[in-house]
Amino acid sequence: GAGVSQSPSNKVTEKGKDVELRCDPISGHTALYWYRQSLGQGLEFLIYFQGNSAPDKSGLPSDRFSAERTGGSVSTLTIQRTQQEDSAVYLCASSSAGTGTDTQYFGPGTRLTVL
Amino acid sequence: AQSVAQPEDQVNVAEGNPLTVKCTYSVSGNPYLFWYVQYPNRGLQFLLKYITGDNLVKGSYGFEAEFNKSQTSFHLKKPSALVSDSALYFCAVRVPNDYKLSFGAGTTVTVRA
Repeated sequence: GAGVSQSPSNKVTEKGKDVELRCDPISGHTALYWYRQSLGQGLEFLIYFQGNSAPDKSGLPSDRFSAERTGGSVSTLTIQRTQQEDSAVYLCASSSAGTGTDTQYFGPGTRLTVL
Repeated sequence: AQSVAQPEDQVNVAEGNPLTVKCTYSVSGNPYLFWYVQYPNRGLQFLLKYITGDNLVKGSYGFEAEFNKSQTSFHLKKPSALVSDSALYFCAVRVPNDYKLSFGAGTTVTVRA
């Protein structure tokens, strides 16, 4: 079946602009995660959604970052007033349950470059 | 807090030779351990995981990993490496009742023909 999809694959923006990154999880997966992969910080957890529960936003690096998940499926990660340090690959993952032993399956990522 | 260490930034092997990528972890309690592989400009692909039971776990593409509780290690192995195995490999850990994966820094594997 179809895996996790993300769009756009690449995004180049100017410092100070807002960007939106989209994630479509695997159909039927209730849990959705965002991670960030950067040269200096490696792979970092950003945010977690599980069903209709309140998301865990503990990994978001600043209040410029926000995310939502509509209808328990598609998620959008928004970065406001982008900074150069936001340049990274943003990875989305989904899993069947979000707890226990389930496996997180990752999308291809969105490479964000802030000029 | 949980953490993962991948002590080697790079591993170079000849095609047909055994491949080992090292991983050690630190957690409070029992760990769930994962290996992922990342090819250039691609996302992470799941290889295998250890949850409980048999310490030797077999996964995709001929890879396996051995959980060693006393040494807190979960090394990835492949008996005979292929050039196509050249990629970036990540070890990750999660604890029960948590959902966040904590990743190691990654190991770049290069298999030369």
